[in-house]
Amino acid sequence: QLQLVQSGAEAKKPGASVRVSCKTSGFNFKNYAFHWVRLAPGQRLEWMGWINAGNGKTSYSQKFQDRISITRDTSANTAYMELRSLRFEDTALYYCAKWGQEEEALDYWGQGTLVTVSS
Amino acid sequence: DIVMTQSPLSLPVIPGEPASISCRSSQSLLHSNGYKYLDWYLQKPGKAPQLLIYLGSNRASGVPDRFSGSGSGTDFTLKISRVEAEDVGVYYCMQALRPPFTFGGGTKVEI
Repeated sequence: QLQLVQSGAEAKKPGASVRVSCKTSGFNFKNYAFHWVRLAPGQRLEWMGWINAGNGKTSYSQKFQDRISITRDTSANTAYMELRSLRFEDTALYYCAKWGQEEEALDYWGQGTLVTVSS
Repeated sequence: DIVMTQSPLSLPVIPGEPASISCRSSQSLLHSNGYKYLDWYLQKPGKAPQLLIYLGSNRASGVPDRFSGSGSGTDFTLKISRVEAEDVGVYYCMQALRPPFTFGGGTKVEI
């Protein structure tokens, strides 16, 4: 059974960093790319970046370019998203999603991780 | 960046009746390979988004055939032939032609 299971909710102060994990199972992790998308209160879904789990190549939205790192651990079948220099407006639900090669779309999603930035 | 505009913002529906959501892109989403890189997602209350339609008109695995997608290079439509109670949630279109991938503002469908 294909699954993407994300790490639990995080509470951070402005200026801190957060790392969210996305542990996968049920398929060959290295054959796919994984994207990160967030949903902030009152906002639309926002694409942040992606990683090719096979070769580790990444691409980031220019909006987050200076503050984001997406990595993977192939031995653990897990993708990670780190966001640095957190701001109040980074409070959001963060999702990882698998890129479907046939569909060329985000075909499976993690359950989401709530990151709250508060002083 | 490609701007995605959805309408309406909110859509009251009646079970058994049809419903339609529009999505417009600021640039053509038609790739040179002939595919239109427009996807539709549904986010049910308290859940992660789920893929409904990919490449403009293809239903994802397990999606009921009451959902259909169509469109040209810049204007797209998601149709529900007969709405069911389980279809409530927020519908998003997303362009996957060129990073950064961008989403429409969402359409909240409620009974």
